[in-house]
Amino acid sequence: DAKTTQPTSMDCAEGRAANLPCNHSTISGNEYVYWYRQIHSQGPQYIIHGLKNNETNEMASLIITEDRKSSTLILPHATLRDTAVYYCIVRVAGAAGNKLTFGGGTRVLVKP
Amino acid sequence: ETGVTQTPRHLVMGMTNKKSLKCEQHLGHNAMYWYKQSAKKPLELMFVYSLEERVENNSVPSRFSPECPNSSHLFLHLHTLQPEDSALYLCASSQVWGAWEKLFFGSGTQLSVL
Repeated sequence: DAKTTQPTSMDCAEGRAANLPCNHSTISGNEYVYWYRQIHSQGPQYIIHGLKNNETNEMASLIITEDRKSSTLILPHATLRDTAVYYCIVRVAGAAGNKLTFGGGTRVLVKP
Repeated sequence: ETGVTQTPRHLVMGMTNKKSLKCEQHLGHNAMYWYKQSAKKPLELMFVYSLEERVENNSVPSRFSPECPNSSHLFLHLHTLQPEDSALYLCASSQVWGAWEKLFFGSGTQLSVL
């Protein structure tokens, strides 16, 4: 699986959009970008995933660059409950036998 | 509430004790997973069960023994653990093995080995 690089931490203001970057310059053509988050003392929670096109759901938006070497997770209106560690993962979808590997992630602190 | 329930939420045990962690999923999924998360370390996959058959054992010491009696239940039996085994143990499930796009996690069991 391609490696990802994320900032170690970032702060954002409550009510503002939070933009979380992720670099995955070695991504392969059949690898998807997945985002999970982990709130303190809880299990990770799936947020969104995408291949080429931008994606949006009720939690967030995912913007993938045209060359697919980087992406940005956007939380449109951050709340205090969005404080968590956010993981960007790149891997082939539906590939049984391959592990979903969580790296260090970005520790996001939403401030009032 | 993710549909994956883990008990107990907290467990303290001595190195000579035997205990079990329980996981139950109410989602009709066919694959279940055990992960370990030590302090300030990434999640580590321990075991994967697909249709009640163990399909992956990620070089986990034998003092951890998983059991999957049916597709809804997963256990992790613990015996003669070491202090370095203290960690958050997370259970997860997915519709099928490898459906990583929708992996549902429980809240975990925080284990302390004294």
